[in-house]
Amino acid sequence: DTEVTQTPKHLVMGMTNKKSLKCEQHMGHRAMYWYKQKAKKPPELMFVYSYEKLSINESVPSRFSPECPNSSLLNLHLHALQPEDSALYLCASSQPLGQETQYFGPGTRLLVL
Amino acid sequence: KNEVEQSPQNLTAQEGEFITINCSYSVGISALHWLQQHPGGGIVSLFMLSSGKKKHGRLIATINIQEKHSSLHITASHPRDSAVYICAVRGRETSGSRLTFGEGTQLTVNP
Repeated sequence: DTEVTQTPKHLVMGMTNKKSLKCEQHMGHRAMYWYKQKAKKPPELMFVYSYEKLSINESVPSRFSPECPNSSLLNLHLHALQPEDSALYLCASSQPLGQETQYFGPGTRLLVL
Repeated sequence: KNEVEQSPQNLTAQEGEFITINCSYSVGISALHWLQQHPGGGIVSLFMLSSGKKKHGRLIATINIQEKHSSLHITASHPRDSAVYICAVRGRETSGSRLTFGEGTQLTVNP
Protein backbone atom coordinates (compact mmCIF):
# COMPACT_ATOMS: atom_id res chain seq x y z
CA ASP A 1 0.00 0.00 0.00
CA THR A 2 1.71 3.20 -1.21
CA GLU A 3 -1.24 5.48 -0.73
CA VAL A 4 -1.77 8.57 1.33
CA THR A 5 -5.45 9.38 1.77
CA GLN A 6 -6.95 12.72 2.66
CA THR A 7 -10.45 13.70 3.69
CA PRO A 8 -12.45 15.61 2.79
CA LYS A 9 -11.65 16.21 -0.89
CA HIS A 10 -13.36 19.60 -0.82
CA LEU A 11 -14.31 21.86 2.09
CA VAL A 12 -16.16 25.14 2.21
CA MET A 13 -16.17 26.93 5.53
CA GLY A 14 -17.02 30.30 6.97
CA MET A 15 -14.57 32.42 8.91
CA THR A 16 -16.18 31.46 12.23
CA ASN A 17 -16.27 27.72 11.60
CA LYS A 18 -14.05 25.04 13.11
CA LYS A 19 -13.16 22.15 10.84
CA SER A 20 -10.47 19.48 10.55
CA LEU A 21 -8.55 17.97 7.67
CA LYS A 22 -7.47 14.36 7.98
CA CYS A 23 -4.60 12.42 6.47
CA GLU A 24 -3.80 8.72 6.77
CA GLN A 25 -1.03 6.43 5.57
CA HIS A 26 -0.27 2.77 6.19
CA MET A 27 3.24 2.59 4.75
CA GLY A 28 4.91 2.64 8.16
CA HIS A 29 6.29 6.10 7.49
CA ARG A 30 7.35 8.00 10.59
CA ALA A 31 7.46 11.49 9.03
CA MET A 32 4.29 13.31 7.96
CA TYR A 33 3.90 16.73 6.41
CA TRP A 34 1.31 19.42 5.77
CA TYR A 35 1.74 21.68 2.75
CA LYS A 36 -0.34 24.59 1.50
CA GLN A 37 -0.52 25.22 -2.23
CA LYS A 38 -2.01 28.28 -3.91
CA ALA A 39 -2.99 28.20 -7.58
CA LYS A 40 -0.06 28.02 -10.01
CA LYS A 41 2.45 28.03 -7.15
CA PRO A 42 4.59 25.24 -5.68
CA PRO A 43 3.65 23.70 -2.34
CA GLU A 44 4.70 25.59 0.79
CA LEU A 45 5.70 23.54 3.79
CA MET A 46 3.61 24.20 6.91
CA PHE A 47 4.41 21.47 9.45
CA VAL A 48 6.49 18.32 9.77
CA TYR A 49 5.96 15.56 12.32
CA SER A 50 8.73 13.08 12.94
CA TYR A 51 7.98 10.09 15.16
CA GLU A 52 4.68 11.74 16.12
CA LYS A 53 6.43 14.85 17.42
CA LEU A 54 6.25 18.26 15.76
CA SER A 55 9.69 18.90 14.31
CA ILE A 56 9.09 21.81 11.94
CA ASN A 57 6.57 24.66 12.15
CA GLU A 58 7.15 27.14 9.35
CA SER A 59 5.79 30.09 11.35
CA VAL A 60 2.23 29.10 10.53
CA PRO A 61 -0.53 31.21 12.13
CA SER A 62 -2.14 29.66 15.19
CA ARG A 63 -5.48 29.37 13.41
CA PHE A 64 -3.91 26.22 11.92
CA SER A 65 -3.31 23.56 14.56
CA PRO A 66 -1.71 20.25 13.60
CA GLU A 67 -2.10 17.01 15.49
CA CYS A 68 -0.51 13.60 15.06
CA PRO A 69 -2.51 11.17 17.20
CA ASN A 70 -0.52 8.13 16.03
CA SER A 71 2.04 7.12 13.43
CA SER A 72 -0.61 6.64 10.71
CA LEU A 73 -2.76 9.73 11.20
CA LEU A 74 -2.23 13.44 10.79
CA ASN A 75 -4.87 16.08 11.38
CA LEU A 76 -4.98 19.78 10.67
CA HIS A 77 -7.49 21.67 12.80
CA LEU A 78 -8.80 24.89 11.32
CA HIS A 79 -10.37 27.74 13.26
CA ALA A 80 -11.20 31.36 12.40
CA LEU A 81 -9.63 31.13 8.95
CA GLN A 82 -9.38 34.02 6.52
CA PRO A 83 -10.37 34.01 2.83
CA GLU A 84 -6.67 34.14 1.90
CA ASP A 85 -6.29 30.71 3.52
CA SER A 86 -8.26 29.23 0.64
CA ALA A 87 -5.88 26.79 -1.05
CA LEU A 88 -5.12 23.14 -1.71
CA TYR A 89 -3.82 21.47 1.46
CA LEU A 90 -1.56 18.53 0.77
CA CYS A 91 -0.43 15.86 3.17
CA ALA A 92 2.69 13.78 2.55
CA SER A 93 4.61 11.07 4.33
CA SER A 94 8.06 9.55 4.19
CA GLN A 95 10.62 7.79 6.27
CA PRO A 96 12.23 10.48 8.42
CA LEU A 97 15.73 10.07 7.03
CA GLY A 98 17.06 12.93 4.92
CA GLN A 99 16.87 11.44 1.45
CA GLU A 100 13.61 9.55 1.42
CA THR A 101 10.89 10.04 -1.19
CA GLN A 102 7.79 11.86 0.00
CA TYR A 103 4.45 10.32 -0.93
CA PHE A 104 1.69 12.88 -1.39
CA GLY A 105 -2.03 12.61 -0.85
CA PRO A 106 -4.60 13.98 -3.32
CA GLY A 107 -5.16 17.09 -1.24
CA THR A 108 -8.13 18.89 0.28
CA ARG A 109 -9.34 21.91 -1.65
CA LEU A 110 -10.41 24.48 0.93
CA LEU A 111 -12.55 27.54 0.28
CA VAL A 112 -13.00 30.05 3.10
CA LEU A 113 -15.91 32.40 2.66
CA LYS B 1 16.90 34.69 -7.34
CA ASN B 2 15.16 31.48 -6.32
CA GLU B 3 17.30 28.63 -5.07
CA VAL B 4 15.59 26.36 -7.63
CA GLU B 5 14.89 27.60 -11.14
CA GLN B 6 12.95 25.65 -13.74
CA SER B 7 12.67 26.21 -17.47
CA PRO B 8 10.57 26.56 -19.41
CA GLN B 9 7.63 27.79 -17.34
CA ASN B 10 5.19 26.57 -19.98
CA LEU B 11 5.69 24.02 -22.72
CA THR B 12 3.32 22.89 -25.45
CA ALA B 13 4.17 19.87 -27.56
CA GLN B 14 2.59 17.62 -30.12
CA GLU B 15 1.97 13.99 -29.30
CA GLY B 16 5.08 11.93 -29.95
CA GLU B 17 7.59 14.72 -29.42
CA PHE B 18 10.64 14.42 -27.17
CA ILE B 19 10.36 16.80 -24.23
CA THR B 20 13.01 18.24 -21.92
CA ILE B 21 12.40 20.20 -18.74
CA ASN B 22 15.36 21.77 -16.97
CA CYS B 23 16.11 22.51 -13.34
CA SER B 24 19.01 24.53 -11.97
CA TYR B 25 19.76 25.02 -8.31
CA SER B 26 22.17 27.20 -6.40
CA VAL B 27 22.78 25.27 -3.17
CA GLY B 28 24.62 22.08 -2.33
CA ILE B 29 22.08 19.29 -2.27
CA SER B 30 21.73 15.81 -0.88
CA ALA B 31 18.92 14.84 -3.28
CA LEU B 32 16.79 16.20 -6.10
CA HIS B 33 13.20 15.16 -6.75
CA TRP B 34 11.04 15.37 -9.85
CA LEU B 35 7.32 15.51 -9.09
CA GLN B 36 4.25 15.44 -11.33
CA GLN B 37 1.01 17.21 -10.48
CA HIS B 38 -2.11 16.68 -12.56
CA PRO B 39 -5.05 19.08 -12.58
CA GLY B 40 -7.08 18.33 -9.47
CA GLY B 41 -4.06 18.39 -7.24
CA GLY B 42 -2.45 15.05 -6.41
CA ILE B 43 1.35 15.00 -6.59
CA VAL B 44 3.26 11.94 -7.69
CA SER B 45 6.94 11.51 -7.02
CA LEU B 46 8.63 10.50 -10.29
CA PHE B 47 12.30 10.33 -9.38
CA MET B 48 14.72 10.98 -6.57
CA LEU B 49 18.30 11.55 -7.73
CA SER B 50 21.59 12.21 -6.04
CA SER B 51 23.79 11.37 -9.02
CA GLY B 52 23.73 10.05 -12.57
CA LYS B 53 20.61 9.04 -14.40
CA LYS B 54 17.36 7.16 -13.75
CA LYS B 55 14.81 5.79 -16.20
CA HIS B 56 11.22 4.70 -15.67
CA GLY B 57 9.20 3.85 -18.74
CA ARG B 58 9.25 6.87 -21.06
CA LEU B 59 10.70 9.15 -18.40
CA ILE B 60 14.40 9.79 -17.91
CA ALA B 61 15.95 12.03 -15.27
CA THR B 62 19.57 13.13 -15.20
CA ILE B 63 21.58 15.18 -12.77
CA ASN B 64 24.97 16.89 -13.01
CA ILE B 65 26.09 17.67 -9.49
CA GLN B 66 29.09 19.77 -10.56
CA GLU B 67 26.92 21.99 -12.77
CA LYS B 68 24.00 21.99 -10.29
CA HIS B 69 21.59 21.03 -13.07
CA SER B 70 19.02 18.34 -13.69
CA SER B 71 16.84 17.49 -16.66
CA LEU B 72 13.63 15.52 -17.01
CA HIS B 73 13.05 13.98 -20.43
CA ILE B 74 9.85 12.47 -21.76
CA THR B 75 10.13 10.32 -24.87
CA ALA B 76 7.17 9.73 -27.21
CA SER B 77 5.03 12.23 -25.32
CA HIS B 78 1.32 11.60 -24.93
CA PRO B 79 -1.61 13.84 -23.97
CA ARG B 80 -1.83 12.04 -20.62
CA ASP B 81 1.63 13.46 -19.82
CA SER B 82 0.01 16.90 -19.61
CA ALA B 83 0.65 18.07 -16.06
CA VAL B 84 2.81 20.39 -14.00
CA TYR B 85 6.31 19.03 -13.43
CA ILE B 86 8.05 20.27 -10.29
CA CYS B 87 11.71 20.04 -9.37
CA ALA B 88 12.49 20.02 -5.64
CA VAL B 89 15.81 19.80 -3.83
CA ARG B 90 16.86 18.77 -0.37
CA GLY B 91 19.74 21.02 0.62
CA ARG B 92 22.78 19.52 2.31
CA GLU B 93 22.56 22.14 5.05
CA THR B 94 18.82 21.96 5.68
CA SER B 95 17.12 19.71 8.16
CA GLY B 96 16.36 16.30 6.77
CA SER B 97 12.73 16.79 5.82
CA ARG B 98 12.62 20.18 4.11
CA LEU B 99 12.34 20.43 0.31
CA THR B 100 12.84 23.60 -1.73
CA PHE B 101 10.54 23.62 -4.75
CA GLY B 102 10.88 25.16 -8.18
CA GLU B 103 7.94 27.07 -9.62
CA GLY B 104 6.96 24.18 -11.87
CA THR B 105 6.68 23.66 -15.63
CA GLN B 106 3.20 23.40 -17.13
CA LEU B 107 3.35 20.82 -19.93
CA THR B 108 0.54 20.47 -22.45
CA VAL B 109 0.75 17.67 -25.00
CA ASN B 110 -1.73 18.02 -27.85
CA PRO B 111 -3.03 15.03 -29.81
